[in-house]
Amino acid sequence: GAGVSQSPRYKVAKRGQDVALRCDPISGHVSLFWYQQALGQGPEFLTYFQNEAQLDKSGLPSDRFFAERPEGSVSTLKIQRTQQEDSAVYLCASSLEGFGGMNTEAFFGQGTRLTVV
Amino acid sequence: QQQVKQSPQSLIVQKGGISIINCAYENTAFDYFPWYQQFPGKGPALLIAIRPDVSEKKEGRFTISFNKSAKQFSLHIMDSQPGDSATYFCAASKRGGATNKLIFGTGTLLAVQP
Repeated sequence: GAGVSQSPRYKVAKRGQDVALRCDPISGHVSLFWYQQALGQGPEFLTYFQNEAQLDKSGLPSDRFFAERPEGSVSTLKIQRTQQEDSAVYLCASSLEGFGGMNTEAFFGQGTRLTVV
Repeated sequence: QQQVKQSPQSLIVQKGGISIINCAYENTAFDYFPWYQQFPGKGPALLIAIRPDVSEKKEGRFTISFNKSAKQFSLHIMDSQPGDSATYFCAASKRGGATNKLIFGTGTLLAVQP
């Protein structure tokens, strides 16, 4: 596709349920980011991949959050035992270059709105 | 910690007027300052960006002014239109490092009245 694609667009989970959010980056983009956007706030960094390597996971709020990008393209963000405070929009972004690159304009997907009830 | 502070939180401008949004940053290592526009239900989209070696960048009706010594930058939208009504985020990052993660401001909700 032409842009970053995320699925599902909306997800309602019962507290304690595990969820998996998918991101299809722009083809050929080396870098992939996950951000969390709470209602009325700016996006906050969660984790970063360069190809299949997870180089930065400093923004993951707890060990219930796990992300992977096994083949260097599609990525999945998994949240285990969801809590109400996990309710947010989860944004995926990709950019062309990786480590040390300067052409790093980030293109965002539409996000997945997660609601934990 | 909030490394990028954005103001105002919301802004109402008449059609044809100038919209001005301000941001201040703390980390002097930042060297890339983009502005993103976000419509409801959509992801942020890059509007315009600047690097600290220039003090101003203009693209159409959008201008970034950058003050390195004050660690401040601002977005000016000239001849504001109702279609500009959206949430605007400033951001900052350090390029060329291990990650190019963006640190975002808290956003400004702009309403342009016809």
